[in-house]
Order: sequence, then C-alpha cells, then structure tokens
Amino acid sequence: GAVVSQHPSWVICKSGTSVKIECRSLDFQATTMFWYRQFPKQSLMLMATSNEGSKATYEQGVEKDKFLINHASLTLSTLTVTSAHPEDSSFYICSARAGTALNTGELFFGEGSRLTVL
Amino acid sequence: LAKTTQPISMDSYEGQEVNITCSHNNIATNDYITWYQQFPSQGPRFIIQGYKTKVTNEVASLFIPADRKSSTLSLPRVSLSDTAVYYCLVGPKMDSSYKLIFGSGTRLLVRP
Repeated sequence: GAVVSQHPSWVICKSGTSVKIECRSLDFQATTMFWYRQFPKQSLMLMATSNEGSKATYEQGVEKDKFLINHASLTLSTLTVTSAHPEDSSFYICSARAGTALNTGELFFGEGSRLTVL
Repeated sequence: LAKTTQPISMDSYEGQEVNITCSHNNIATNDYITWYQQFPSQGPRFIIQGYKTKVTNEVASLFIPADRKSSTLSLPRVSLSDTAVYYCLVGPKMDSSYKLIFGSGTRLLVRP
C-alpha cells in the first residue's frame, strides 16, 4: 500500500533554533499534505494544509511565520519550526491522501516526528 | 470542530469482542466513515472504511445503520496488542484536499 515517510523520527534542539521535518509520499503523488500536532494523551490537531506549488493554508491559531511549510514537489512537504521554544515540543505527524491515483481515498499518515526543545 | 463523538475510553479483556460506537449526526451524503488506530508515538493507521450497512476486513467489521448517523467498529477477540486509541472520522472519500478533523478518539485498554 501507499506509504508516507517522515524524517527525522525524533529530534532534540536548543531553544531558539529552527528545526525542519520532512514528509514524503514514497509511492504516490500528493498534491495536498496535512500537518498535525499531537500533545501527550491528546488527539491530533490539524495545523495546516500543504499545497504543492502554492502557499499552505493554516488553521486558526497556528502561526504561519512560526511553522513554515513548503511543498516544493508532489512527493515532499517540509515543516520548519522556527525559533523553537519548549512549548513547541510535540509529536508532529503528516498525512496525505492517495486520492484518485490509487482509487482508495485512504488517508496515509507518516510515522510522526517527536520534537523536544530544551 | 470535530464532526464525530466517541466514548473517551473503554476497557476489555483478551479474547472478548469490543464494539466502539461513534456518533456523526451531521454526516453528509458524500461522506464516508473511516476508522484509524493509533499506538503511542506512531502515526494513525487505517483500519476500515465504509459508507453504509456492513463492511468487514481481516481485522475488523464496521456496522453502519440506515440513517448513517452513527457507526460501530467491532474488533473480534481482542488481544493485548489491540490496546490503542481508535479514531472515527467522516469525510468525502476521493477529495484529496479535504482536511480531516480528529475528535477525541477512544482509548481502548485490553487487559490480560
């Protein structure tokens, strides 16, 4: 089946630095990818919709200058957490829907990336 | 705002059948119902999807009544490894840009 891969799986950084997380669709093209954030024992919260070749659409309350999203190709979207602070520590998950390419409509999720900001 | 409502948690024992019900009163005509399973520190994994009546695969069954305002995920003979959070989501199947909003999910604990 279709696979979505994230990298890195976990990252630790110092406060004030920036961290980039990659999300790749390995065997299908994804014009749209979604970024979620999940805090411990909470549900996934949608942060933004990443659109290939255009600007991302952010959910209310998510700072676009803080969480930079770039979707430069049909198989890669990146999330950059800029000037990270301890409160940005979370589990970040990307997803993409195979859509008509695989005729399933199934939404595939990456393995997640755990960010810890010291 | 999530379009679904589920019990926050459920407990079961190994070998039992577990049924998790989800309410989606405002489901649209072109919405499908999809269930995902999530283990700690992993991304959600697709379990089953359906539109109406009953769908069965190798891991679960999905029961959807005629009015489609609810659905029930049935896990036959659960094992300890089925301890996870289960999410019910509704949305159009083939719209690749449709954003899925997660509800609280149901935290299932399977005891020995």
